[in-house]
Amino acid sequence: SQTIHQWPATLVQPVGSPLSLECTVEGTSNPNLYWYRQAAGRGLQLLFYSIGIDQISSEVPQNLSASRPQDRQFILSSKKLLLSDSGFYLCACEQETVNYGYTFGSGTRLTVV
Amino acid sequence: GDSVTQMEGPVTLSEEAFLTINCTYTATGYPSLFWYVQYPGEGLQLLLKATKADDKGSNKGFEATYRKETTSFHLEKGSVQVSDSAVYFCALRRGAGGTSYGKLTFGQGTILTVHP
Repeated sequence: SQTIHQWPATLVQPVGSPLSLECTVEGTSNPNLYWYRQAAGRGLQLLFYSIGIDQISSEVPQNLSASRPQDRQFILSSKKLLLSDSGFYLCACEQETVNYGYTFGSGTRLTVV
Repeated sequence: GDSVTQMEGPVTLSEEAFLTINCTYTATGYPSLFWYVQYPGEGLQLLLKATKADDKGSNKGFEATYRKETTSFHLEKGSVQVSDSAVYFCALRRGAGGTSYGKLTFGQGTILTVHP
């Protein structure tokens, strides 16, 4: 079965500072990978998805970017954080068997101050 | 586009009470439907799923039936426990349809609190 490692668990960053969140996957190859953001009191918003190395699609225009330098590594970045970037960031991997849903990482709580 | 609507919370129940969390969806074709649970400070875990009309997903005493005629996937449990306190998300996944990924569309989540 698949396992997702996500770090750090919590992060407090000043406005204007850079960001790098990392997600790695074990137990599968060539997975579809996703970054979601969960704002306080709200649902999940899909930010980026990737179907392969260096293949990234963005769902919404924003201050963030994503990269996939290796098959099982997915990175979320920003050059300059905004207050509105605060939230709970979740990495997800789609399971190999269609319609079996996603496996989620444990998330990163980002607070921009 | 696709959308999922959940009943607004928070929902507060006493232990051993009956639980229903309503979920309705809008999507073309025949999506797969899911319930996810998020415990405090954690990521989401798949609770149950259904991939076609009239399928019933079940896990840990929770059940949900895929009702295409009413476009619904309501979550139920006959007797809740304090440990069921969490946020519950309904989600749908439309088939590939020319793309090679399965985007999940989530509802806004329902907070459940169970008191002893």
